[in-house]
Amino acid sequence: ETAVFQTPNYHVTQVGNEVSFNCKQTLGHDTMYWYKQDSKKLLKIMFSYNNKQLIVNETVPRRFSPQSSDKAHLNLRIKSVEPEDSAVYLCASSSNSAETLYFGSGTRLTVL
Amino acid sequence: GEQVEQLPSSLIVQEGASVLINCSYTDSASVYFPWYKQEPGKRLQFIIDIRSNMERKQTQRLTLLFDKKTKHLSLHITATQPGDSAIYFCSASPNYNVLYFGSGTKLTVEP
Repeated sequence: ETAVFQTPNYHVTQVGNEVSFNCKQTLGHDTMYWYKQDSKKLLKIMFSYNNKQLIVNETVPRRFSPQSSDKAHLNLRIKSVEPEDSAVYLCASSSNSAETLYFGSGTRLTVL
Repeated sequence: GEQVEQLPSSLIVQEGASVLINCSYTDSASVYFPWYKQEPGKRLQFIIDIRSNMERKQTQRLTLLFDKKTKHLSLHITATQPGDSAIYFCSASPNYNVLYFGSGTKLTVEP
């Protein structure tokens, strides 16, 4: 099956902890993205990687750091989570920059 | 950065009705405008797109209109079905590196 896979589906943690989310795409795409979707369904771009190179880094707090080992993987680490980090984190990929995006099913983070 | 707005925020219609979703953007450099839908519990899915050198695109029951002068798009869905119930997102890309999304329009189609 070719798609975008995210793990975990859900994560509950406490303020100040570190979390890490994984994303893998088997579509052979060169570009991967992290988006944040808040409780009102607003979607905001966080990062974009093209072939392991960071090409977009929106105004995201420094506690967020993307990690890419190869063009098929783009992980997201959050150091010292805060309550406003509670959201669904969506990973996506595309064959050319910003052409049709294929999304994963998301990781729902709840910060207590 | 690019700002994308959508109206209305929600729509409730009867099966068979047509709906219109409006979208506006601010960055005149935006050149690519895809739309996505998110059904309850499912992942975001591409449905239609248009580029800035086009004025209209149609696929099955979807018609997308683009006005470069007013920086406005509208998505027309005809003969709606309960399966069309979803949140519809407009987006804009100024440089093909990233998509900026609107706030979404929640469509509910009642049988």
